[in-house]
Amino acid sequence: AQRVTQPEKLLSVFKGAPVELKCNYSYSGSPELFWYVQYSRQRLQLLLRHISRESIKGFTADLNKGETSFHLKKPFAQEEDSAMYYCALRSGGGADGLTFGKGTHLIIQP
Amino acid sequence: DAGVIQSPRHEVTEMGQEVTLRCKPISGHDYLFWYRQTMMRGLELLIYFNNNVPIDDSGMPEDRFSAKMPNASFSTLKIQPSEPRDSAVYFCASSSRRGGNTIYFGEGSWLTVV
Repeated sequence: AQRVTQPEKLLSVFKGAPVELKCNYSYSGSPELFWYVQYSRQRLQLLLRHISRESIKGFTADLNKGETSFHLKKPFAQEEDSAMYYCALRSGGGADGLTFGKGTHLIIQP
Repeated sequence: DAGVIQSPRHEVTEMGQEVTLRCKPISGHDYLFWYRQTMMRGLELLIYFNNNVPIDDSGMPEDRFSAKMPNASFSTLKIQPSEPRDSAVYFCASSSRRGGNTIYFGEGSWLTVV
């Protein structure tokens, strides 16, 4: 069975401080990992996926297979980063539905 | 493209009534997903279709829930009879293999059963 764990329900940091949203997964095969962001009462939007290895809005995430983690990081938080962040997993190369973590509510304080 | 379109955006209904949620996927997408979001359980995959055929409905909570996709541009999720515990946000999403299987979400249907 595949599972995604986001240990923090809520994370509050000050503007300009570094941010790290934790994500751990369990999956027996080769996974594909994603981060989605949901701003207040809006649709989920893809933030980034590990195979792209790109930086979106200053966020990066590296897949660590040894630690089975895919933590989301940003060096300097901005107020507009306040949102719900969901880590998600899918079997690599597949087109199945995503398995989501329960999400972390990120609040950036001014 | 307007993205994934869902209707209604909000619905309040009485327990026992039938609820029908609708979804129009992005044109050209061959996968369609229905998710449910609640505070307690987060985002759960209910069912997904490929080329209008249901592939995995193991997430459908019980027989009161049914989903159909009569053609490539339309899908419905029906709850009959509805119960208060069905109150949630229901998201439809779509993807295509040619698009790298990136899943795009609709804005959700906020269902309240009283």
